[in-house]
Amino acid sequence: AQSVTQPDIHITVSEGASLELRCNYSYGATPYLFWYVQSPGQGLQLLLKYFSGDTLVQGIKGFEAEFKRSQSSFNLRKPSVHWSDAAEYFCAVGAGAGGTSYGKLTFGQGTILTVHP
Amino acid sequence: DVKVTQSSRYLVKRTGEKVFLECVQDMDHENMFWYRQDPGLGLRLIYFSYDVKMKEKGDIPEGYSVSREKKERFSLILESASTNQTSMYLCASRMPGPQETQYFGPGTRLLVL
Repeated sequence: AQSVTQPDIHITVSEGASLELRCNYSYGATPYLFWYVQSPGQGLQLLLKYFSGDTLVQGIKGFEAEFKRSQSSFNLRKPSVHWSDAAEYFCAVGAGAGGTSYGKLTFGQGTILTVHP
Repeated sequence: DVKVTQSSRYLVKRTGEKVFLECVQDMDHENMFWYRQDPGLGLRLIYFSYDVKMKEKGDIPEGYSVSREKKERFSLILESASTNQTSMYLCASRMPGPQETQYFGPGTRLLVL
């Protein structure tokens, strides 16, 4: 069964600092990987996704993530955080090529990001 | 833009009541999903539907049922609400295909007293 672990429940950074949110997954084949963001009181919005090809993926709002197969990781990064980035971030894994899952995703526990001015 | 709407943002119900949560999407998506979100647990899949009148259990279906009579609408039903079903409920939809994105509604925060 697939699973996702986000080791950091809560991260605090200063505005303008760099950010890295960790995500480790467990899946038997090449997974499809996603990062979503949830602002307070809102639904989830897709930041970026990885299916194949270049292991460094660019997303919206200046975010990027790197797929590292050897480490089973898909960490999210941003070089300079803005106060508006304060939110909860979720990593998710879906069945990759050849999988038959109807698009079901398994989500991590989430990481809450606080940004200090 | 894809739009997924949920009938209520906040709902308060009594233990034992039958509760209906409605989700509507406007992009002709075939696949629809219901999740519950709890602090520290992330999102957990309750049920999903890959087409009209088709449904599959997710990871935590106990105490819930679903209905999909029309393509755009997916309903989550709590047959007899209990306090441990107090949670945030999120609906999502997508086109079929493994690389398609799930689009989420704003969520319904349900309190069962």
